Amino acid sequence: GAGVSQSPRYKVTKRGQDVALRCDPISGHVSLYWYRQALGQGPEFLTYFNYEAQQDKSGLPNDRFSAERPEGSISTLTIQRTEQRDSAMYRCASSAQGSTDTQYFGPGTRLTVL
Amino acid sequence: AQTVTQSQPEMSVQEAETVTLSCTYDTSESDYYLFWYKQPPSRQMILVIRQEAYKQQNATENRFSVNFQKAAKSFSLKISDSQLGDAAMYFCAYRSPVQYGNKLVFGAGTILRVKS
Repeated sequence: GAGVSQSPRYKVTKRGQDVALRCDPISGHVSLYWYRQALGQGPEFLTYFNYEAQQDKSGLPNDRFSAERPEGSISTLTIQRTEQRDSAMYRCASSAQGSTDTQYFGPGTRLTVL
Repeated sequence: AQTVTQSQPEMSVQEAETVTLSCTYDTSESDYYLFWYKQPPSRQMILVIRQEAYKQQNATENRFSVNFQKAAKSFSLKISDSQLGDAAMYFCAYRSPVQYGNKLVFGAGTILRVKS
């Protein structure tokens, strides 16, 4: 596609529910990244993939958060048993090659946990 | 761990004037990358400019240029001939070489207001 796409764009859920956020990277991009951005702050790293391999998950805040990219393209970030503190903008980015290429961001999914 | 500091929460500039946004970072690495991203009210994240640490020449992109001072660990963004469309939140970001992790570390951002 022309750019990174994310769905849904907005998600409202009740505390305790599971949510799945989807990212479709730029076609051919090898690396895919997830970030979380609180209002008025910069994005914070969660995890990243090269192809289907999860290279770094050091930013995932706890074991309720997980991510996968089974075929090396689309990725899903899953949050189980959501809590109000999980409310934020979740951003996906992709890059052609990991080491030198720029990360291009999607529009984000705004998650609100009631 | 690397840190990025943007000490100006807000800046204002008159249309057609020049403004400089500050960014400092802390690292022990010698090879890395620096970026400025723009986040307009739509909350999209748009790349403005990038700089490779091994390059001494400052990067430029049309009206946007950087002043990269490696020894001082400073990476400021200069916007010339400011336009109303430049109004946005600007984030400075640092990225390590791939062998040390590939994540972007962002500063807290600077809100830029452009007055007509």
